[in-house]
Amino acid sequence: GQQLNQSPQSMFIQEGEDVSMNCTSSSIFNTWLWYKQDPGEGPVLLIALYKAGELTSNGRLTAQFGTTRKDSFLNISASIPSDVGIYFCAGQRGGSNYKLTFGKGTLLTVNP
Amino acid sequence: DADVTQTPRNRITKTGKRIMLECSQTKGHDRMYWYRQDPGLGLRLIYYSFDVKDINKGEISDGYSVSRQAQAKFSLSLESAIPNQTALYFCATSTAGGSYEQYFGPGTRLTVT
Repeated sequence: GQQLNQSPQSMFIQEGEDVSMNCTSSSIFNTWLWYKQDPGEGPVLLIALYKAGELTSNGRLTAQFGTTRKDSFLNISASIPSDVGIYFCAGQRGGSNYKLTFGKGTLLTVNP
Repeated sequence: DADVTQTPRNRITKTGKRIMLECSQTKGHDRMYWYRQDPGLGLRLIYYSFDVKDINKGEISDGYSVSRQAQAKFSLSLESAIPNQTALYFCATSTAGGSYEQYFGPGTRLTVT
């Protein structure tokens, strides 16, 4: 099936650093979603993007819907230890009947 | 209280056994989904339901069946469990129109020995 390429696969950073990750596809998406999953828990929705070029923030998190509609970016500023987890992107394509395509995730580790 | 709940949270079963995973939601959403998560493979859709009378197969439905008992309840069954069905299973919900946002339950960790 359709794949979303999410990078990097993992990141090791120091507390206080900023983080950037992205999600790309060869297909156009109408919606981009970003989720965070803590160990042993389900994914939690962080940010939803619905328009090309849209930039949306949620606290220290900022996500952008790429202008080509084939990519999306998530930035975390001033990371803290509780940012540790797996971050997933998900996209919805036209005609996909509300089904989402998920990236494989970026594992973030924050060293205090 | 959690909006999407799953039971059990952990289950160990033997090959060939029938097992049911249950999902309940208080979000009032019409649409419900079952996913499995495997390391390195991300989330894959097993089945989805847009209302009580509408059930659809996802990417990997073989070996699974579902039942939508009510708007708020959606269960997943493994008729005869096999070891490669060992995975994390998630239920998710979404509203009927306009929004593609899906909200996930806490997951069930299933081990088939």
